[in-house]
Amino acid sequence: NAGVTQTPKFRILKIGQSMTLQCTQDMNHNYMYWYRQDPGMGLKLIYYSVGAGITDKGEVPNGYNVSRSTTEDFPLRLELAAPSQTSVYFCASSKQLETKYFGPGTRLLVL
Amino acid sequence: AQKVTQAQTEISVVEKEDVTLDCVYETRDTTYYLFWYKQPPSGELVFLIRRNSFDEQNEISGRYSWNFQKSTSSFNFTITASQVVDSAVYFCALSSQGGSEKLVFGKGTKLTVNP
Repeated sequence: NAGVTQTPKFRILKIGQSMTLQCTQDMNHNYMYWYRQDPGMGLKLIYYSVGAGITDKGEVPNGYNVSRSTTEDFPLRLELAAPSQTSVYFCASSKQLETKYFGPGTRLLVL
Repeated sequence: AQKVTQAQTEISVVEKEDVTLDCVYETRDTTYYLFWYKQPPSGELVFLIRRNSFDEQNEISGRYSWNFQKSTSSFNFTITASQVVDSAVYFCALSSQGGSEKLVFGKGTKLTVNP
């Protein structure tokens, strides 16, 4: 199993550009999550999904959108990139009541 | 609301010293899970342990041990005979059973083990 994979590993965006961060898991996990990690601030939940077709907002959803059309994929969309979205983004997945495993992260720099 | 507090922002020790990382949590749920994750300088998040709120037994895994005390809402992590490879940021996290089961993280403790 590859576990949780994320692409790209690193990206530089200009203000106002859009992009999609990809997340894929091959463990047949129902639950998937997107977190962002700012320096010294721990991780904050952006969006989550408890199954295909079901998504909901987390603590810091503004400026982001998600979709969950399949069990495996949970892409995160940034429509109008802003400097405040410079961060490291982590995707995680789990089965119900089980440990959450994280992807390697995507480092995003918005200039 | 759920909250996790890691009061120690940074800790520096010399190799072979024992070190304890503190974690205090707040939740109104009766059933919940507590976690520790390690984030080495390479940046990935490595799962270390998960503890159910009904299981207060302490756990030992090699040089790592965890002390869960519901009476003080604490879930502390001790590294015995620390090594340079233990240098990392350590996160304590909390999730409820049911619903989103989202993880709420503390801000992390940066541990530096010097040779």
